[in-house]
Amino acid sequence: GAVVSQHPSRVICKSGTSVKIECRSLDFQATTMFWYRQFPKQSLMLMATSNEGSKATYEQGVEKDKFLINHASLTLSTLTVTSAHPEDSSFYICSATIWGTSYEQYFGPGTRLTVT
Amino acid sequence: DAKTTQPPSMDCAEGRAANLPCNHSTISGNEYVYWYRQIHSQGPQYIIHGLKNNETNEMASLIITEDRKSSTLILPHATLRDTAVYYCIVRASSRQLTFGSGTQLTVLP
Repeated sequence: GAVVSQHPSRVICKSGTSVKIECRSLDFQATTMFWYRQFPKQSLMLMATSNEGSKATYEQGVEKDKFLINHASLTLSTLTVTSAHPEDSSFYICSATIWGTSYEQYFGPGTRLTVT
Repeated sequence: DAKTTQPPSMDCAEGRAANLPCNHSTISGNEYVYWYRQIHSQGPQYIIHGLKNNETNEMASLIITEDRKSSTLILPHATLRDTAVYYCIVRASSRQLTFGSGTQLTVLP
């Protein structure tokens, strides 16, 4: 149980284009989903917290107009990187907490984004 | 959330116990100790968590000192597949996880 998937696992896009990453909770309903970013040889950095049906809360320094988050249902959150640039190349990881429990976080496998 | 301190790297022989320390001297009474690990290019994996008492599951044991200022994660019989970065995180139950730099554990054949 408590499986989180991400799609795609890897994506390469050209500079200036937008790319959407999906995060799904497969066997549970997620009250909250989190989006993290991880650069090579660094730790995970929280980008934003996403609650179903409401606007995401972004961490300081993360541009909300560049990283669009939509959490339309209890099983799906999407992160869209708009007008991507090479410096946005990173490993993007989502996690989800289970509805009505002790807020345990379960992580997806991550999406490797490369912007050329 | 309380800050944690972990050694940057450790080695362990395959089949032996791996003991990973974590200091969290500023932990508050309502904060839990969580351990996650991240194998290269994968998402983090939950290992174990505890509040005051020692905990054990099929993956590991968590030993928390009586004053709760430090803890040790024990992998009883390390395998090559346990090579990963191990993160010790302290947080209150309703807060998000904040990752530090973790400990790179390398299990040697």
